[in-house]
Amino acid sequence: DAGITQSPRHKVTETGTPVTLRCHQTENHRYMYWYRQDPGHGLRLIHYSYGVKDTDKGEVSDGYSVSRSKTEDFLLTLESATSSQTSVYFCAIREAGAYEQYFGPGTRLTVT
Amino acid sequence: AQTVTQSQPEMSVQEAETVTLSCTYDTSESDYYLFWYKQPPSRQMILVIRQEAYKQQNATENRFSVNFQKAAKSFSLKISDSQLGDAAMYFCAYRSYTNAGKSTFGDGTTLTVKP
Repeated sequence: DAGITQSPRHKVTETGTPVTLRCHQTENHRYMYWYRQDPGHGLRLIHYSYGVKDTDKGEVSDGYSVSRSKTEDFLLTLESATSSQTSVYFCAIREAGAYEQYFGPGTRLTVT
Repeated sequence: AQTVTQSQPEMSVQEAETVTLSCTYDTSESDYYLFWYKQPPSRQMILVIRQEAYKQQNATENRFSVNFQKAAKSFSLKISDSQLGDAAMYFCAYRSYTNAGKSTFGDGTTLTVKP
């Protein structure tokens, strides 16, 4: 199994509070991705990174920011959580030139 | 922008029988990858099979095979000799050959396997 972890695995927070989710890899892969998964939907890309300090937006980036100061860590921040951001969040990693993305176990976030 | 459509929200199959899950996609790119992922109740995303668009031969992985029709932009998954452990949500995904490999997923098909 690829060495990819997410923390926390579950979180309940209140509307308006900041939240940071962490993705950590031990594979030294170049690419890292944050997705969200909502009922009845597949995964939708929020942000991705193609190197340390190199990030870009995905299709549903509004309300989210990311940072990658080290190869192994990719942080997703909700500056002011809203109920519409209640979701399951997946991190994925991929080596340059490789076919496959490896997914983390997911974080279930509930915003009340 | 690419889109991926899975027109079957739910499918069921009898154990040991064969089932086909449908997927269509829209793209203007000529080089890309297509994937099928399995997501059991544990939520873990598991790669089932992949297809490179430049390859005409359909990919096969044990009981799983695809029917890739590039001109029709169709990418169906066939599961033979279905097993109870195949029950899961299945997602079709498109990944660009360039552009940092961003992926687009379909909405998924829930597969039930009946004993």
